[in-house]
Amino acid sequence: EDQVTQSPEALRLQEGESSSLNCSYTVSGLRGLFWYRQDPGKGPEFLFTLYSAGEEKEKERLKATLTKKESFLHITAPKPEDSATYLCAFNPGNKLTFGGGTRVLVKP
Amino acid sequence: KAGVTQTPRYLIKTRGQQVTLSCSPISGHRSVSWYQQTPGQGLQFLFEYFSETQRNKGNFPGRFSGRQFSNSRSEMNVSTLELGDSALYLCASSTSGRGRTDTQYFGPGTRLTVL
Repeated sequence: EDQVTQSPEALRLQEGESSSLNCSYTVSGLRGLFWYRQDPGKGPEFLFTLYSAGEEKEKERLKATLTKKESFLHITAPKPEDSATYLCAFNPGNKLTFGGGTRVLVKP
Repeated sequence: KAGVTQTPRYLIKTRGQQVTLSCSPISGHRSVSWYQQTPGQGLQFLFEYFSETQRNKGNFPGRFSGRQFSNSRSEMNVSTLELGDSALYLCASSTSGRGRTDTQYFGPGTRLTVL
C-alpha cells in the first residue's frame, strides 16, 4: 500500500538552530514528492516539487532533497516566522496523499 | 494572478442538514480537487474533477458529492451531516492534473462545524 510517513511529529527550535524534517515513502510509482507549509486555519502553501532521486531545491532558509526512499526538508538558521506545519505528499494520479505533518515551533 | 478562492469561509450547521461549498480555481486551471482535513485523520482526498467529470474519488461515503461547471468552478455537497463531518474542507486546483509539472495550489478552506 502506498504511504508516506513524516517525522518528527513536532519540533521545537531556537531561532538560528538548524534542523531537518523527514518524509519517508513507499509508493509503487513516484510521480512527484511535494512539500507544503500550512499555518493554523489556512490552506497549505506550496513550497517544492521533487521528481528524481538526487534532486534538490532551495527557497530562502528551506532546502528539500530527495532519495529513493525519503525526502528531507532542511531548515537553516530558522526564524520565528518559519513556525508552521510542514506537510509532504506524493501524487499517484493527481490525488495527493499526505503525511501527518511536522509541527515546527521556532522560539526567539 | 488570483489564487484559489473558497466560499463561505465558515459554516455552522446542525446534524441532518446538508451543505454546499464553493471553489473557484486559479484562472486557466481545469482540475479541481477537494480534501478534508481533521486533527485525527489529517488531510484526506475526497474527489477530483476535470472538464466537468469526476476523474478520481477517495474513500468517503456517498453523502459527499461534487460537481464542476464549464468555467471550472466546483462545488461539493455533503448531505445528512454528521458530527464527524466537522472539518476544514480544502479545494486545490492544477492545470490539467497530469504530467510532472502539475502542482496543486490550495485555497484558504471552508471551516465547517456540525452541531
